[in-house]
Formats: sequence, structure tokens, C-alpha cells
Amino acid sequence: DIQMTQSPSSLSASVGDRVTITCRASQSIRTYLNWYQQKPGKAPKLLIYAASSLQSGVPSRFSGSGSGTDFTLTISSLQPEDFVTYYCQQGYSKLTFGGGTKVEIK
Amino acid sequence: EVQLVESGGGLVQPGGSLRLSCSASGFTFGSFAMHWVRQAPGKGLEDVSGITSNGGTTHYADSVKGRFTISRDNSKNTLYLQMSSLRVDDTAVYYCVKDREWAMARVFDDWGQGTLVTVSS
Repeated sequence: DIQMTQSPSSLSASVGDRVTITCRASQSIRTYLNWYQQKPGKAPKLLIYAASSLQSGVPSRFSGSGSGTDFTLTISSLQPEDFVTYYCQQGYSKLTFGGGTKVEIK
Repeated sequence: EVQLVESGGGLVQPGGSLRLSCSASGFTFGSFAMHWVRQAPGKGLEDVSGITSNGGTTHYADSVKGRFTISRDNSKNTLYLQMSSLRVDDTAVYYCVKDREWAMARVFDDWGQGTLVTVSS
């Protein structure tokens, strides 16, 4: 099975900061990589699909890049509502999620 | 507006059974693959099962294979998950999730609010 390693598992940042979260696959998954945001007590929400396509309604400060085994989610300017948890997910072979990255206020 | 409403969760003893349902509205249910994804308390997300739009193909995570059965009734806009031989480590919030495509593209663009399944004696 394909393993997804997300890093860091947590980070501290301030409002307005540029933040990058990394996801690495144990083998090539081409661009079958999606990113989700989860607020406490809520269901996840799709942010980015196919590595770099922005889901409808998602603010443009979110962007994704990468292919093969290395991917990044970038938040260009953190807003107060962005201090939550993010997950990557591969859909190339079966389905696996990364372990999550919690973004906390510095 | 897409709505996915899960029901059927609750407390069950180890070895017991439970059937989850997910009532869908706001989209053409029979045109999209559907999935169940779970999240144990304080933990990350885990794939459980998926089914294509016509029910012809299903997928199960290794951890539930042989114990769980996914099905759908497109005439009732409802997705099901029959769970048997439940174990303590099946305790989780179970989410009903809509795929972007009829096949299992595994891109989850809409999620239900989740239903909690607790397996404990």
C-alpha cells in the first residue's frame, strides 16, 4: 500500500504568514493528490484536488503543487480561520490519507 | 445544496452488528460514487469503503474486509454500511462522502456531519 507522510505534524504561525505543508508518497502517485481542511468537530472540506486544482468556493490564498512523490499545500497569507488541521490524500492506488498537520497560532 | 445525513450510529458490544445509513439530497445521487471514511477519536482519517454509482464495483479497506458491506439504493438516494463482527478499534466517527465522479475517483467533494460508532463492553 502507498504510504503518505505529511510534515510537519504541527506548526506555529501568525496571521499573515505564508505557510507550506508537505506530503510525500512512498511511490509515484502522479498527480492523484488531494488536500482537505478539517475544523474541530466538523467534517473535512476539500481544498485542492489533482495536486493543484482549487475546489470551487475555496479562497485563492490556498494553492497546491507537485507531482510524482512530493507535494505541497501553501497558504499565502494565514487568516484566523485557517488555524485548523490539514490532510493530504492519495487516490492513485486504493486510498490513503496523510497523518495530518495542525496549524496553531504562535 | 448537497446534503448527506448519516444515521444508525451508537453503542454496540464487541462482536455485534450495526447498519449505518446515509440519506442524500441536492444532487443526482445515482450519478456519483460514494464512500465511507472514518475517524477514531483524536486520530486521523481512514478509508473504509467505496461503491461506484451503479453499485457494480465496491472497495474495502483491509481492516474491514469480510466484516463490512457497502451498498446503495439509488431509488431511495441512500447509502448503507452494514458492519458486523465489530471490534473496539472500529470505534470512530463514520462519514458518508460523495465522490466527484461516477467511478471511484477518490476525490471527496462533499461530506456528511458524521455518526459516532462506539464499540465497547
